Amino acid sequence: AQSVTQLDSHVSVSEGTPVLLRCNYSSSYSPSLFWYVQHPNKGLQLLLKYTSAATLVKGINGFEAEFKKSETSFHLTKPSAHMSDAAEYFCVVKTSNTGKLIFGQGTTLQVKP
Amino acid sequence: EPEVTQTPSHQVTQMGQEVILRCVPISNHLYFYWYRQILGQKVEFLVSFYNNEISEKSEIFDDQFSVERPDGSNFTLKIRSTKLEDSAMYFCASSARTALNTEAFFGQGTRLTVV
Repeated sequence: AQSVTQLDSHVSVSEGTPVLLRCNYSSSYSPSLFWYVQHPNKGLQLLLKYTSAATLVKGINGFEAEFKKSETSFHLTKPSAHMSDAAEYFCVVKTSNTGKLIFGQGTTLQVKP
Repeated sequence: EPEVTQTPSHQVTQMGQEVILRCVPISNHLYFYWYRQILGQKVEFLVSFYNNEISEKSEIFDDQFSVERPDGSNFTLKIRSTKLEDSAMYFCASSARTALNTEAFFGQGTRLTVV
């Protein structure tokens, strides 16, 4: 069965310091992986996606993620956190062409001044 | 920029009542989805819909749930007789294709509270 595990439910960083949000997946097939962000009272917004073209994927707002097949990981990083990055982040896997997405449990990112 | 819109943003209903959640997907998308997130839990897939038919549904999507595309723009989720445990955030999404490399676009959600 396919699944996604986000290793931290809550991450707190200071503004200007690096961000690391961890995600591991389990899939019998070569998956596509996504990171979505949800700001308060907003919809889920796509940050970036991995679809086998390149293992290092760059997204919006300075975020990037690296697909590591050997570690079944897809961690999200950003070199320098901004206050506006405070939100809920979801790692998502898609393993078939039915369109169904499987979500991790989410990580709340807090950015302190 | 095109977006998925959901109404209402918050719905309070009494247990046993019917509720309809509404969504307007992105206009040129063909695939539509409902997900839900119970407070403190994961976002869960409910149903996918294409060509006026359900293409996949989860075990959560029982006979109390139904979906419909009543016209060319709206996509609705109906819960026939709401239960307390239906209280959740419901997200609508749409995509142009279902291929692996295609992302879904989500609405802002409808928070359903059953009292």
